[in-house]
Amino acid sequence: GAVVSQHPSWVICKSGTSVKIECRSLDFQATTMFWYRQFPKQSLMLMATSNEGSKATYEQGVEKDKFLINHASLTLSTLTVTSAHPEDSSFYICSARVSGRTYNEQFFGPGTRLTVL
Amino acid sequence: KQEVTQIPAALSVPEGENLVLNCSFTDSAIYNLQWFRQDPGKGLTSLLLIQSSQREQTSGRLNASLDKSSGRSTLYIAASQPGDSATYLCAVRRNQGGKLIFGQGTELSVKP
Repeated sequence: GAVVSQHPSWVICKSGTSVKIECRSLDFQATTMFWYRQFPKQSLMLMATSNEGSKATYEQGVEKDKFLINHASLTLSTLTVTSAHPEDSSFYICSARVSGRTYNEQFFGPGTRLTVL
Repeated sequence: KQEVTQIPAALSVPEGENLVLNCSFTDSAIYNLQWFRQDPGKGLTSLLLIQSSQREQTSGRLNASLDKSSGRSTLYIAASQPGDSATYLCAVRRNQGGKLIFGQGTELSVKP
């Protein structure tokens, strides 16, 4: 299957700082990438959908100025959590959709654990 | 609005048992359905994808079925092993470009 990587796998930061998370498709080109947030014992909540070269589409209730998404190339998308606060602590997972392959199957990264002190 | 429900929320079985995980969705107009596995603190691993025109898909000890008209899918795991312990998530997509709608997951524990 297609491989999606995320970096870093975990990060601890102080309140008020900004954190950038990278998502890469390693062996395929992804025209569409997704960012999810997951709280303990809960399912994934879609935050935004990004298409290469265009602005991300945010889900209702997600602050676009808080969670900056850039999809500059077909293999890289970044999520920047600006002015992070403790309530932003969560598990962030990216996903890439394989365009042109069978049925637009989605593949997920290993996730990034963000802890804001 | 599409809603996806998974029952049970948690399941504990002894090693070697065959088991069935259930997934139901309220809107039968789906493009495809995907089953995923998530280990604690990890991302999702795609297990099986079933197109709306298909009835089932198989991979090793896993078999997923789809009954679109009744809004149900099952994931059958044969001869369960402790290594199968994880959370299993199902998700549906309404159309080719649509987003995945996830269920809450079933947390499976297989005891040696």
